[in-house]
Amino acid sequence: ETGVTQSPTHLIKTRGQQVTLRCSSQSGHNTVSWYQQALGQGPQFIFQYYREEENGRGNFPPRFSGLQFPNYSSELNVNALELDDSALYLCASSMFRDGTEAFFGQGTRLTVV
Amino acid sequence: GDSVTQMEGPVTLSEEAFLTINCTYTATGYPSLFWYVQYPGEGLQLLLKATKADDKGSNKGFEATYRKETTSFHLEKGSVQVSDSAVYFCALSDRGRGSTLGRLYFGRGTQLTVWP
Repeated sequence: ETGVTQSPTHLIKTRGQQVTLRCSSQSGHNTVSWYQQALGQGPQFIFQYYREEENGRGNFPPRFSGLQFPNYSSELNVNALELDDSALYLCASSMFRDGTEAFFGQGTRLTVV
Repeated sequence: GDSVTQMEGPVTLSEEAFLTINCTYTATGYPSLFWYVQYPGEGLQLLLKATKADDKGSNKGFEATYRKETTSFHLEKGSVQVSDSAVYFCALSDRGRGSTLGRLYFGRGTQLTVWP
């Protein structure tokens, strides 16, 4: 077990709605990255936060946004949900600013109907 | 851009068989290379890593050698067990370019099923 916890584990939303996913990073880790894993695919990088600031972003539209809090926990927000947003969302925390040596949570399975 | 290509699955083996999962990469600079494993219903677990050419990563009987000349990082295990059944992902990190961002680039994953 890595010490990275995500909530909720599963949820179902309707197209057009908004969703917030949460991640509690491992103790001592100040960098959090989020990944989207579609069914049958490898994870795709969404963005990364270091000490409450966005440190880099992948090829995702602005309706994917995030926050990191002073205790280094993090949120991923997705507005105007689309069917293709259905995926496993993974949070990874690291003690390194560049996000390597990351430990992953168990993920949140989002289904958009 | 940076990318990882790994052999398509699924791979089905009998217990105690030899395992190879091929992985090749494209990167500018000097990436670190990783193998992650994902058991059903779970997130990713780091299996092994190598940070420079000719390094060999190993863990739980699995091994992979960072080959810069062939841009490869193939995963091997001499004798698989039923408990090794999972999805295996090869990944690279572009940390070596001095960027402050070390995002991971993943392959599509290879499903391994081991029968008793």
